Amino acid sequence: GAVVSQHPSRVICKSGTSVKIECRSLDFQATTMFWYRQFPKQSLMLMATSNEGSKATYEQGVEKDKFLINHASLTLSTLTVTSAHPEDSSFYICSARAPIIIYQTGGVGYTFGSGTRLTVV
Amino acid sequence: QKEVEQDPGPLSVPEGAIVSLNCTYSNSAFQYFMWYRQYSRKGPELLMYTYSSGNKEDGRFTAQVDKSSKYISLFIRDSQPSDSATYLCAMSAGNYGQNFVFGPGTRLSVLP
Repeated sequence: GAVVSQHPSRVICKSGTSVKIECRSLDFQATTMFWYRQFPKQSLMLMATSNEGSKATYEQGVEKDKFLINHASLTLSTLTVTSAHPEDSSFYICSARAPIIIYQTGGVGYTFGSGTRLTVV
Repeated sequence: QKEVEQDPGPLSVPEGAIVSLNCTYSNSAFQYFMWYRQYSRKGPELLMYTYSSGNKEDGRFTAQVDKSSKYISLFIRDSQPSDSATYLCAMSAGNYGQNFVFGPGTRLSVLP
């Protein structure tokens, strides 16, 4: 249980276009989801916290107008990279707090999506 | 000084070896310590979780936390080629994802 499905796994787009990445919690409700960005051989960097029914909270330095986050339901959060440029090429990963994992680990549990590799050409 | 430091590796070991992965941190407020395994081009998966100091064992994996030294370790016994992945430590002062801080990860290769 506690699966987060992320699509697409890989996308190549032209510079200037927009790309939408979806993150779904399949067997649980996720009031909060998190979006990360990971460059090769680097750590996960939190971009924003997505809250169902309200505006996302962005980390310092992340352009909210460029990375649009929508969390319209308890099972779906989307990240749209608008007017993508080659420097936006990266691995984007979502995660959600999963109640099942919390029970198993005794307090803290987050399950991650499988990631989306974005290449902007 | 980075908040969480981790040797990026790569670390190569023969099959069956005991692997020791480590992270150091500077924020004494961290209470939750986690290890994630990330295969190439995949999202991280939670391996071990420890609250505060102490040891936790799960099969071939043992997690240790020494808060006095601000040092955490993950030991893998009888390592297998399938253990080849990047191992990320993560820590948090609170129980909310936005407080997670990840280490850069250690790339591990277990050679058959």
